[in-house]
Amino acid sequence: DADVTQTPRNRITKTGKRIMLECSQTKGHDRMYWYRQDPGLGLRLIYYSFDVKDINKGEISDGYSVSRQAQAKFSLSLESAIPNQTALYFCATSDRGQGIQETQYFGPGTRLLVL
Amino acid sequence: AQSVTQLDSQVPVFEEAPVELRCNYSSSVSVYLFWYVQYPNQGLQLLLKYLSGSTLVKGINGFEAEFNKSQTSFHLRKPSVHISDTAEYFCAVIKDSSYKLIFGSGTRLLVRP
Repeated sequence: DADVTQTPRNRITKTGKRIMLECSQTKGHDRMYWYRQDPGLGLRLIYYSFDVKDINKGEISDGYSVSRQAQAKFSLSLESAIPNQTALYFCATSDRGQGIQETQYFGPGTRLLVL
Repeated sequence: AQSVTQLDSQVPVFEEAPVELRCNYSSSVSVYLFWYVQYPNQGLQLLLKYLSGSTLVKGINGFEAEFNKSQTSFHLRKPSVHISDTAEYFCAVIKDSSYKLIFGSGTRLLVRP
């Protein structure tokens, strides 16, 4: 079984709808991240959480919110989806114990299309 | 601001040929450098990372990278590529104390038979 899972894997929604992308991990890591990937732009950080009570904005948090329901679960919500939020979304985790040079482990991604 | 530049958006190469994927970063402080690979329809996985010490870093699948502080580069190399190396490769940097990865725009390696 995969260590970092994302649901759904694909989603089509309409402008204005609220949707939630979910991420779960079995690695026991305390840190979790949400990124979006756009062609030619690489990955950009949306939000990150260093533990259940610590949530921080990344570089492109506008239009998104997150919830860390438990150490193993980190959800990303689009409050009112718009077409330019069409992208590939990745969840990642890392282990605080590694220090600053920690490796991030990525889920398989959620492909979102906003019509 | 911290940034990572990958000049080549796509690199076509024939099987068994050598390849170099270029990465330059901008920073006046200590950095930690990473290369991640994304195979088709998969998430990213770590290839290798430079933290300190030897400037030549060896990673998985026969890849290696060399940290060059004077040229602010961290180019990825493989002496002989396989079809299975076809993927997108991302260079990334962590600025000390930030714990946040900053990714380059990616280079798509296309290995042809």
